[in-house]
Amino acid sequence: QVQLVQSGGGVVQPGRSLRLSCAASGFTFNIHGMHWVRQAPGKGLEWVAITSYDGRHKYYADSVKGRFTISRDNSKNTVSLEMSNLRPGDTAVYYCAKATSTYCRGNNCYSSGFDPWGQGTRVTVSS
Amino acid sequence: DIVMTQSPLSLPVTPGEPASISCRSSQSLLHSNGYNYLDWYLQKPGQSPQLLLYLASTRASGVPDRFSGSASGTDFTLRISRVEAEDVGVYYCMQALQTPITFGQGTRLEIK
Repeated sequence: QVQLVQSGGGVVQPGRSLRLSCAASGFTFNIHGMHWVRQAPGKGLEWVAITSYDGRHKYYADSVKGRFTISRDNSKNTVSLEMSNLRPGDTAVYYCAKATSTYCRGNNCYSSGFDPWGQGTRVTVSS
Repeated sequence: DIVMTQSPLSLPVTPGEPASISCRSSQSLLHSNGYNYLDWYLQKPGQSPQLLLYLASTRASGVPDRFSGSASGTDFTLRISRVEAEDVGVYYCMQALQTPITFGQGTRLEIK
């Protein structure tokens, strides 16, 4: 079945780095845009980043721009989120999600239908 | 950035009764292709979010037909024709017409 399985996460000190991974199965990975979304404890959903199907287009939330990097390996059906210079405000459950459709043109991507979502992985930034 | 505003933030509902959640966007979500890039998600307690509706009114696979969505300009509505116990959780609208993608604050549906 269509599935996203996440790995990585944990407890890290401020200023350190962490890498999250998301392994896809059950669908043709290399034709779908992929997203990362996070949820701070007790809060709502916050979009983090997108990569287009081919990795050529990548966009980030202002809150993580310059510190987080999204990447994908279509040969391994994986998408990753490299997080550096982590802050306490980055503490959250991070989800990867497949977009039903994504089109990127110029300096924008538009998507619809995040389905499925990964199981989520917890990142805690604390000294 | 496009701001998404949901109401109400809390919604107690008696099983079998209808329910509706509103979502307003600060800008049009209508693409030149004729579609509104507005999705609805439900996050059940302790679970990852799940897609209910995309492009404002298209039900995702496996979603019961008691869920429906509509759009009028920058106002969007999610309707549940008859609420069931399994519908409890937090409902989010999300715009994906432009980055950064933004979510509404969430509406917590509870059973009376």
